Amino acid sequence: GAVVSQHPSRVICKSGTSVKIECRSLDFQATTMFWYRQFPKQSLMLMATSNEGSKATYEQGVEKDKFLINHASLTLSTLTVTSAHPEDSSFYICSAGDSGGVQPQHFGDGTRLSIL
Amino acid sequence: AQSVTQPDIHITVSEGASLELRCNYSYGATPYLFWYVQSPGQGLQLLLKYFSGDTLVQGIKGFEAEFKRSQSSFNLRKPSVHWSDAAEYFCAVGGRAAGNKLTFGGGTRVLVKP
Repeated sequence: GAVVSQHPSRVICKSGTSVKIECRSLDFQATTMFWYRQFPKQSLMLMATSNEGSKATYEQGVEKDKFLINHASLTLSTLTVTSAHPEDSSFYICSAGDSGGVQPQHFGDGTRLSIL
Repeated sequence: AQSVTQPDIHITVSEGASLELRCNYSYGATPYLFWYVQSPGQGLQLLLKYFSGDTLVQGIKGFEAEFKRSQSSFNLRKPSVHWSDAAEYFCAVGGRAAGNKLTFGGGTRVLVKP
């Protein structure tokens, strides 16, 4: 079945560091990928929609300059948390669909980001 | 705007007992409905989906869900729970009208007693 790989699975870094998270669709092409943020014991909140070859679409309240998204190919989207601070600590999850239209989104295993 | 409500934050069931997780949605067009399961520190795994057709859908791991348009519900059921079913369960709604975006419910944590 469709597989989405997310890397790294865990990051611990100092405040002020920029952190890049990769999301890859391993056996299918994904023109659209989605980035979510999940706080402890809470649901997933959509941050942005990543579109291959064009700018990402951000949800209301999400800082574009803080969370940079690049979708340079049909199999890779990256989320960069710039100048991370402790409040950016969270669980970040990406997802991708494997064909046009609404299909079940396949999720990566998530990245646990801890900013000290 | 689309929304999903999962009324039960926690549910505790005994192993072997039946399980039903409630999900109510609000969506202005034809909804596509999903149930996902998440183990601690992991991503989400799709259990089942409803797009159209038969309103009773079968999924993996012995789960099923029934779409009831009149009640705007998509409840998840399993006849006999196994200890490995302890996890967080999320109901989600999406559709073409929403640009393929999914909106998730708050989740229901299932605890399984021996």
